[in-house]
Amino acid sequence: DSGVTQTPKHLITATGQRVTLRCSPRSGDLSVYWYQQSLDQGLQFLIQYYNGEERAKGNILERFSAQQFPDLHSELNLSSLELGDSALYFCASSASSGGAFEQYFGPGTRLTVT
Amino acid sequence: GENVEQHPSTLSVQEGDSAVIKCTYSDSASNYFPWYKQELGKGPQLIIDIRSNVGEKKDQRIAVTLNKTAKHFSLHITETQPEDSAVYFCAASKHDMRFGAGTRLTVKP
Repeated sequence: DSGVTQTPKHLITATGQRVTLRCSPRSGDLSVYWYQQSLDQGLQFLIQYYNGEERAKGNILERFSAQQFPDLHSELNLSSLELGDSALYFCASSASSGGAFEQYFGPGTRLTVT
Repeated sequence: GENVEQHPSTLSVQEGDSAVIKCTYSDSASNYFPWYKQELGKGPQLIIDIRSNVGEKKDQRIAVTLNKTAKHFSLHITETQPEDSAVYFCAASKHDMRFGAGTRLTVKP
């Protein structure tokens, strides 16, 4: 158990809808990273927050957004969902703001868009 | 940006044999190279990592080597066991972490 929690575990929704995925980092970690894992794309970095502020952006679509709250939990919002958004979404946490430090992954949320 | 290539995509070994997975990276500024193991239905688990000021690191049956000049690093698993069967990912990082495409390792009893 990495200490990172994610809810929900599974999510099934229809095209055009909006969903929110939630992540709680390990105790003491200030950074939260979001990743998308699909069969043909591997693990793709989406976005990083550090202590409430956006720190880095990767391949995140404009339909997706995230935030980190004062209690350090983070939410990833996915809107106008398309079939291609079906994937596993992982968050990871780290004690550091920099990229060159250990990241610990949560169990993921499996999103299915029908 | 950083590009990480990982080989092979699948690897099957007999229990007790060694397994080697190789990765190359493109950005010479990358200075942190973790390896993750992902079992079915679970998130990636950090198993070992190495920084650019170190050439080799060992932890029991697993080891990682880094060649900064050639920009490649490798994961070595000795005395493989069936529970080593999983997908393994390498990654390289300076600021963002970029992952390889993964290697599905199967250890046959």
